[in-house]
Amino acid sequence: QSALTQPASVSGSPGQSITISCTGTSSDIGYFNYVSWYQQHPGKTPKLMIYDVIKRPSGVSNRFSGSRSGNTASLTISGLQAEDEAHYYCSSYASTNTLLFGGGTKVTVL
Amino acid sequence: EVQLVESGGGLVQPGESLRLSCAASGFTFRGYSMNWVRQAPGKGLEWLSYISSTSSTTYYADSLEGRFTISRDNAKNSLYLQMSRLRAEDTAIYFCVRDTFWSLDFWGQGTLVTVSS
Repeated sequence: QSALTQPASVSGSPGQSITISCTGTSSDIGYFNYVSWYQQHPGKTPKLMIYDVIKRPSGVSNRFSGSRSGNTASLTISGLQAEDEAHYYCSSYASTNTLLFGGGTKVTVL
Repeated sequence: EVQLVESGGGLVQPGESLRLSCAASGFTFRGYSMNWVRQAPGKGLEWLSYISSTSSTTYYADSLEGRFTISRDNAKNSLYLQMSRLRAEDTAIYFCVRDTFWSLDFWGQGTLVTVSS
């Protein structure tokens, strides 16, 4: 069981928007701004997509955006494209001086 | 170009030890904190350990039960993970990852560790 809770799968049609949730506690997501999101295609290494809850690294499409409400962080992918089909993982620094990951969400483009 | 190249993985028997290395290049290694993250076959990401830029601070996942030790040599631009009392459940790809305030911005390609008799 992962420390952060993500849905196992989310799907959408090309052009649609989808949102992936990541639920933690007041000791991690709800307290620190160190929430990140990673994209991993099969057989590839993870890629940082969002950091510090809402920031996008240089080179990441602005179709990806992050947000937070209470103890739940979210990743929204707008204008869904075939290349967005991948696994997505959230992470958060925690008060126990550890980094927590979610169990991962498989995004399917229908 | 930032590069992180892990090495040292392989097949070991349960109870044995293994030392992983990560060679860094393309950035000022001594200026960054580093982490080890692993991924078991077909599973998700699991954070293992953190080390600050000067080695003054280290953190570990509770699940490791003190069996792993992270270290670094800034003169050699290298990160290490000493693993002992290995178990079958330690079988995974081990990634060396650069850290910027707890966001993992560059990942190595990983090295596979297989623990099996």
